[in-house]
Amino acid sequence: QQQVKQSPQSLIVQKGGISIINCAYENTAFDYFPWYQQFPGKGPALLIAIRPDVSEKKEGRFTISFNKSAKQFSLHIMDSQPGDSATYFCAAIAGRRLHSGSARQLTFGSGTQLTVLP
Amino acid sequence: DGGITQSPKYLFRKEGQNVTLSCEQNLNHDAMYWYRQDPGQGLRLIYYSQIVNDFQKGDIAEGYSVSREKKESFPLTVTSAQKNPTAFYLCASSPGHPVNSGNTIYFGEGSWLTVV
Repeated sequence: QQQVKQSPQSLIVQKGGISIINCAYENTAFDYFPWYQQFPGKGPALLIAIRPDVSEKKEGRFTISFNKSAKQFSLHIMDSQPGDSATYFCAAIAGRRLHSGSARQLTFGSGTQLTVLP
Repeated sequence: DGGITQSPKYLFRKEGQNVTLSCEQNLNHDAMYWYRQDPGQGLRLIYYSQIVNDFQKGDIAEGYSVSREKKESFPLTVTSAQKNPTAFYLCASSPGHPVNSGNTIYFGEGSWLTVV
């Protein structure tokens, strides 16, 4: 059962345009929502993250919008550049206590392949 | 430099052969993870470990095994029981602190495994 649904699967935008990637979740135990950027042949790198008590977080050209009641969040890339071309994953973390502390599992969306045309 | 080191970058496995992927971190993180990535399917959790000598199965543990004898090391063995092992494997780690502190998971550069 997919717990985080991500769309679109692929996205093509012109240089300078706005890229928008959407994610939705169902499990209300999720309490931290990071976005990762992955270039081909590399591991994902943390891009930006948000907690559910915040409706928006901006870092440079990247903004996360969060709608807790709708259980949706999105990544906006303003002034998209060819160097932003990569695969983007949304994710959700649910804290879980184990016998000797806590470990957090991270559930990923299926990814969006972004291509920014020069 | 602090980080997560995976080796080898590329590995070829013959049918019926077990192979081990190495993952070492010098971030002093408590928790470590192994993910598998297939095209168009995102990342799927194989195993995770919160402390030394303890690990838990993830969503697709069948055909894989792990050990956590040292805090900084979390090797993954792909056994012959894994029928479709060709994939990109990612090791990750996290501090293991409560999520409200804003900590998250950091990834290595990945290892490509191909069955020949």
